[in-house]
Amino acid sequence: DTAVSQTPKYLVTQMGNDKSIKCEQNLGHDTMYWYKQDSKKFLKIMFSYNNKELIINETVPNRFSPKSPDKAHLNLHINSLELGDSAVYFCASSQPGTGYEQFFGPGTRLTVL
Amino acid sequence: DQQVKQNSPSLSVQEGRISILNCDYTNSMFDYFLWYKKYPAEGPTFLISISSIKDKNEDGRFTVFLNKSAKHLSLHIVPSQPGDSAVYFCACMDSNYQLIWGAGTKLIIKP
Repeated sequence: DTAVSQTPKYLVTQMGNDKSIKCEQNLGHDTMYWYKQDSKKFLKIMFSYNNKELIINETVPNRFSPKSPDKAHLNLHINSLELGDSAVYFCASSQPGTGYEQFFGPGTRLTVL
Repeated sequence: DQQVKQNSPSLSVQEGRISILNCDYTNSMFDYFLWYKKYPAEGPTFLISISSIKDKNEDGRFTVFLNKSAKHLSLHIVPSQPGDSAVYFCACMDSNYQLIWGAGTKLIIKP
């Protein structure tokens, strides 16, 4: 049983397109996250979101937006894709109060041509 | 400006020996520290953590040491096994409960 899943695993698209990456967790966690792993392999937080609060990393362009239809899902929408958006994107979840560990999805490798 | 540094991009260790992975941080306000392990094409998986009120935490073959005055933590794996070959990330928690990550160290266990 996959705890945190992401689709698609690979995404190749043209500059200027709009795309979405889906994330679902079946852990019952209240908080979900999106990370970007850049070419230097750093994992950088983009968003953290729970039912009450969205925390946005100020360096994230507003072309990126998280959308949460319910507590188990946090999708990432990207408008007007640019070459520099090529990276691996990870979704994660955690349950505040039960520990600080975050549980990660397998990642989505986005390539913008 | 890197707040969390893992200065060794890679480390090669003989099977059965001890692996020591290091991590340095600059922000004295970090108060919780985690190690994650990552295999290729998979997401990071949690390994072990330590609170700033402790200096050591042990879980089986894995031990994390924290030296707050030096702003340094290390992960010891003993004995090292082939399945330990992976990239290891150090992550530090800030006051907003966000994780700040190092760049990772690739550990290679030689048979």
